[in-house]
Amino acid sequence: GAVVSQHPSWVICKSGTSVKIECRSLDFQATTMFWYRQFPKQSLMLMATSNEGSKATYEQGVEKDKFLINHASLTLSTLTVTSAHPEDSSFYICSAPKTGMNTEAFFGQGTRLTVV
Amino acid sequence: GDSVTQMEGPVTLSEEAFLTINCTYTATGYPSLFWYVQYPGEGLQLLLKATKADDKGSNKGFEATYRKETTSFHLEKGSVQVSDSAVYFCARSPGAIAGNKLTFGGGTRVLVKP
Repeated sequence: GAVVSQHPSWVICKSGTSVKIECRSLDFQATTMFWYRQFPKQSLMLMATSNEGSKATYEQGVEKDKFLINHASLTLSTLTVTSAHPEDSSFYICSAPKTGMNTEAFFGQGTRLTVV
Repeated sequence: GDSVTQMEGPVTLSEEAFLTINCTYTATGYPSLFWYVQYPGEGLQLLLKATKADDKGSNKGFEATYRKETTSFHLEKGSVQVSDSAVYFCARSPGAIAGNKLTFGGGTRVLVKP
């Protein structure tokens, strides 16, 4: 199947700093990517839809200024957690749909963010 | 809003045992239903899907039937292997395309012992 690479797989940062997470589709182009967040023992929650060349679409309750999304190319979307706080600690996962006969979403490995 | 509820884990089984993971969903609209699997250290992978009522998805010995009357999509496998140890997520999307926005259940960790 197709490959989506997410980097870094884990990161620890200090409160008040910003962290950038990358999501790359390695062998296909993705005009749309999705960012999810997972709290411990809870569901993956859709945060936003990243659109190549245009603004991201955020789900209700997700702070746009807090979670900056940039989809500058057909193979790369980035999520920047700005001025991180301990409550932002979570598992972040991206997915990229590969269109075709049977469109399927391929997921990155996820990024474990810990804010101290 | 849309939601998916699945049984909490962890589920610990012996090899060749029968596995069932329950999943129920909200019936808004005409959702498609999916099971994803996440093996240790890897991303989520689509295991199987069903796009309309009474459809049965199957893959790698796993099966799930889209039950509209009970709003359920339970995952089953008749004889599990150690290699089936993973976290399983039930999910729904507004339509048939698996790439669309997904609503996930909380995930069920399955551990199969030799």
